[in-house]
Amino acid sequence: AQSVSQHNHHVILSEAASLELGCNYSYGGTVNLFWYVQYPGQHLQLLLKYFSGDPLVKGIKGFEAEFIKSKFSFNLRKPSVQWSDTAEYFCAVKLNTGGFKTIFGAGTRLFVKA
Amino acid sequence: DTGVSQDPRHKITKRGQNVTFRCDPISEHNRLYWYRQTLGQGPEFLTYFQNEAQLEKSRLLSDRFSAERPKGSFSTLEIQRTEQGDSAMYLCASSLGGTNEKLFFGSGTQLSVL
Repeated sequence: AQSVSQHNHHVILSEAASLELGCNYSYGGTVNLFWYVQYPGQHLQLLLKYFSGDPLVKGIKGFEAEFIKSKFSFNLRKPSVQWSDTAEYFCAVKLNTGGFKTIFGAGTRLFVKA
Repeated sequence: DTGVSQDPRHKITKRGQNVTFRCDPISEHNRLYWYRQTLGQGPEFLTYFQNEAQLEKSRLLSDRFSAERPKGSFSTLEIQRTEQGDSAMYLCASSLGGTNEKLFFGSGTQLSVL
């Protein structure tokens, strides 16, 4: 079965530290890739997405992610985190098989110390 | 607010009772999804509607679960004979579909089965 793995369940960083959250998926076909974020007390919202083209995707608030097809990975990065980045981050994959579901990873809780 | 709205925000019920949740998607979105999320996990796909047609349903979904979208606008999710294992956050999302498969999530309905 298709799955999405996020390597870290909890990450604690100090402000200005660099961030990289790992994401791997298990599916050999064409995929659309997403990172969603849930800030405390808010609903899930899209951070960035990859459909095709340049494998380095830039999203909101200085986040970026790189799709490496050979590694089935879509890691999220930010060079310098802020306290306001404290949130839960979900990697997600939509398979281009004609189906409609988006499969989510278990999430990574990021806490940024001020 | 023109986002996805869900009602109620919280529902506490006794085991064996039936519950119904409502989702109002963004008005121009023809795609509607139901997800379930438990503590420490990412959203798990339940079912998908394109307009009023239910086109995909998770094989993990018990027969006690049923969803409708009668006029292609709002949707309802009903759980019959609730069990303690049904306790979760039930999320609704909508999208325009096509190349812009960005999901817009509601705040969810938190179900507690006692």
